[in-house]
Amino acid sequence: DARVTQTPRHKVTEMGQEVTMRCQPILGHNTVFWYRQTMMQGLELLAYFRNRAPLDDSGMPKDRFSAEMPDATLATLKIQPSEPRDSAVYFCASGLVTLLEGGNYGYTFGSGTRLTVV
Amino acid sequence: LAKTTQPISMDSYEGQEVNITCSHNNIATNDYITWYQQFPSQGPRFIIQGYKTKVTNEVASLFIPADRKSSTLSLPRVSLSDTAVYYCLVAERGRRALTFGSGTRLQVQP
Repeated sequence: DARVTQTPRHKVTEMGQEVTMRCQPILGHNTVFWYRQTMMQGLELLAYFRNRAPLDDSGMPKDRFSAEMPDATLATLKIQPSEPRDSAVYFCASGLVTLLEGGNYGYTFGSGTRLTVV
Repeated sequence: LAKTTQPISMDSYEGQEVNITCSHNNIATNDYITWYQQFPSQGPRFIIQGYKTKVTNEVASLFIPADRKSSTLSLPRVSLSDTAVYYCLVAERGRRALTFGSGTRLQVQP
């Protein structure tokens, strides 16, 4: 089965450090999402891209978070500087979305990056 | 964005059929209903989606009444491995991102 690959799986860093999380979407998928999951807030949408262009990043703290897709095989989520409240599991998901079909919401999620900021 | 309401938790036993009902009273005409499953330490996994009536796949069935204000996910003959959190989501047509709620934590016991 095709998979969404996220690296690293775990990251422990000190407050103030820069953190970069990477995601390799499934080949051929044109839409990539970043979600964050915590016990308190559940799964929150941070940003998403279609054909590498950002469509919505309203869920992301703009002052410290940035998301990019340098190419179709790589999506990155960067936090600078990191804070303890950023500790969470960060998920990337991808899907193939076309304007012609009524709805296809069967996205594939990666296994996540568990970030701990101390 | 249609708000969804589903039970916080449910318990079942192996071999039983489990039905999880979700209400979405203000669902819009073009919205779809989709369900995801999440195991601990894993990302959510797509189970099924539908617009109206009934949809069935190898994993589950989804029942949607005519008014579409609710939906029921049916898991036939659950096993211990079906213990997970199940999310009901309303997907706005045109907005491809999904908004997750709190989900239903299903515990299957022997």
